[in-house]
Amino acid sequence: QLQLQESGPGLVKPSETLSLTCTVSGGSISSSSDYWGWIRQPPGKGLEWIGSIYYSGDTYYNPSLKSRVTISVDTAKNQFSLGLSSVTAPDTGIYYCARLWAVRSNYFDPWGQGTLVTVSS
Amino acid sequence: QSALTQPRSVSGSPGQSVTISCTGTSSDVGVYKYVSWYQQHPGKAPKLMIYDVSKRPSGVPDRFSGSKSGNTASLTISGLQAADEADYYCCSYAGSYIFYVFGTGTKVTVL
Repeated sequence: QLQLQESGPGLVKPSETLSLTCTVSGGSISSSSDYWGWIRQPPGKGLEWIGSIYYSGDTYYNPSLKSRVTISVDTAKNQFSLGLSSVTAPDTGIYYCARLWAVRSNYFDPWGQGTLVTVSS
Repeated sequence: QSALTQPRSVSGSPGQSVTISCTGTSSDVGVYKYVSWYQQHPGKAPKLMIYDVSKRPSGVPDRFSGSKSGNTASLTISGLQAADEADYYCCSYAGSYIFYVFGTGTKVTVL
């Protein structure tokens, strides 16, 4: 059964870069049918897609975040990572990683448990 | 790109049916058959309930059903149960620039 687990610092200072890693277990990140994505949720608010990546390294970003986002993949470690630069308080929230089914379909399943990131000095 | 519009809350008694709407535009919900729905209990990660407008993943009760008409998608929960009390989010593919847009979220309350 495929499982995803986010990891990274829970506290990031304003203007610095948020860095998170998602470790995939129970399956290969190099599956030809799978993409991988990051979604975030500010406290008490809704979900926002951040971006997605294919194992080949092809990336797709939310236009509103594109200038600050970098998503990369490490197939040897079965991991993919998120970098969000120049963070401010509105970037505070729970960050989820998920598998994205994007071959003749488009949906996120399963999701990691999420990790809370707080932007504060 | 604005979020898809959902009612803030809906409620129903056990055994009743409730329907949650998800209104988008002709650039997302109206043109693509890729609407998905997620259930989120407090403090938990979202769980896929419906994909491709009306398909149910294995393990999701058939009390959950999805449909779409024009720019509006809908999730119906029949035979409402206490365990269905949660937040629900829709999501639509929106083309190769915006990609994915989520709904504003709806809190379902079982009276």
